[in-house]
Amino acid sequence: KQEVTQIPAALSVPEGENLVLNCSFTDSAIYNLQWFRQDPGKGLTSLLLIQSSQREQTSGRLNASLDKSSGRSTLYIAASQPGDSATYLCAALPWGGSEKLVFGKGTKLTVNP
Amino acid sequence: ETGVTQSPTHLIKTRGQQVTLRCSSQSGHNTVSWYQQALGQGPQFIFQYYREEENGRGNFPPRFSGLQFPNYSSELNVNALELDDSALYLCASSPGGGTIGGEAFFGQGTRLTVV
Repeated sequence: KQEVTQIPAALSVPEGENLVLNCSFTDSAIYNLQWFRQDPGKGLTSLLLIQSSQREQTSGRLNASLDKSSGRSTLYIAASQPGDSATYLCAALPWGGSEKLVFGKGTKLTVNP
Repeated sequence: ETGVTQSPTHLIKTRGQQVTLRCSSQSGHNTVSWYQQALGQGPQFIFQYYREEENGRGNFPPRFSGLQFPNYSSELNVNALELDDSALYLCASSPGGGTIGGEAFFGQGTRLTVV
């Protein structure tokens, strides 16, 4: 059974800092790993999708990496801004059966001006 | 902004009542999944529909049921509501079928409060 863990649960940084959010998963048999952003009480916004054959994906100030052998993914945010404050969730899509995403509990990020 | 639309956005129900939540999938997507997100937790998979058939179910009781229509929109029905059903319900659409592993897009969610 796939399990996804995100550490830390919360992170507070000053504006301008580069930061890394961590995601680990127990089973390397995945189609892909997806990173989402969630603002309070809102739905999920897809940030980056990394297919199992890829090592990383980049979008603007965001870079996500995937290491299936170690069961880890990281989301790197460069030059953080107060508008980046949100909860960041990672989700793995396991092989087999339905396209059921398995989520971590998220990391709540606060960027202080 | 994705093309996934959920209604209503907020809902208050009394314990024991029944509720129906609705979701319109993104254009071109034939797969809809439903998730329940309790406060402070990650979303938990309820079930998925692919071309009007249930295609996988999570660890939820039978009083959680669903439908998918020919236009690929979907409904989530919950009978005999319990206080613990209070949560944010999220709908996701994905290309599905022969394009397994496609990006999932989520709606804004329905906040259900059971009192």
